[in-house]
Amino acid sequence: ETGVTQTPRHLVMGMTNKKSLKCEQHLGHNAMYWYKQSAKKPLELMFVYNFKEQTENNSVPSRFSPECPNSSHLFLHLHTLQPEDSALYLCASSQEGLNTEAFFGQGTRLTVV
Amino acid sequence: GENVEQHPSTLSVQEGDSAVIKCTYSDSASNYFPWYKQELGKRPQLIIDIRSNVGEKKDQRIAVTLNKTAKHFSLHITETQPEDSAVYFCAAMTTSGTYKYIFGTGTRLKVLA
Repeated sequence: ETGVTQTPRHLVMGMTNKKSLKCEQHLGHNAMYWYKQSAKKPLELMFVYNFKEQTENNSVPSRFSPECPNSSHLFLHLHTLQPEDSALYLCASSQEGLNTEAFFGQGTRLTVV
Repeated sequence: GENVEQHPSTLSVQEGDSAVIKCTYSDSASNYFPWYKQELGKRPQLIIDIRSNVGEKKDQRIAVTLNKTAKHFSLHITETQPEDSAVYFCAAMTTSGTYKYIFGTGTRLKVLA
């Protein structure tokens, strides 16, 4: 285990549903990230949080809504998604300022039907 | 915006041969360059990294070179083995504004036995 845990591992949702993805890290890091991995754009950065503050929104549609209540937890709230949003959503964490690696969770495989 | 280009997208080599993957980054402020390996159905994991104050780093069969002037960095795998088959991602850590990792588009490496 790398210390970054994502739940659920798999999620199937309808276009009118509302669901949330959860990420938790036990590494004491102060930065957390959401990436979308699909065949078209592998490892596409979505959001960055540093010290609980959102510092990057990479032009992500508003149907994706992140939340970072503390440095250890990160959520991605989903509503009215489209089939093209089906992908693997990866959470990662790192220690800002140390030029060290980002640790990834195992991802949530999302299918929108 | 920041961008990382990676080539080739697919690479097939015979077992025992060497494999080279090349990346180019756009942000001159980038100072940390990790390489990740992602096996099928698993999370990306760091295999080697290099910081901007060195030009080369080696770890057993894996080496990375960095040319900051040209904004190029490369991954070299020698004596390839079937278990090296995976998708490899390069990344550049940019500190322009927000600390974040920008990833290349990935290289699918197949080592043929």
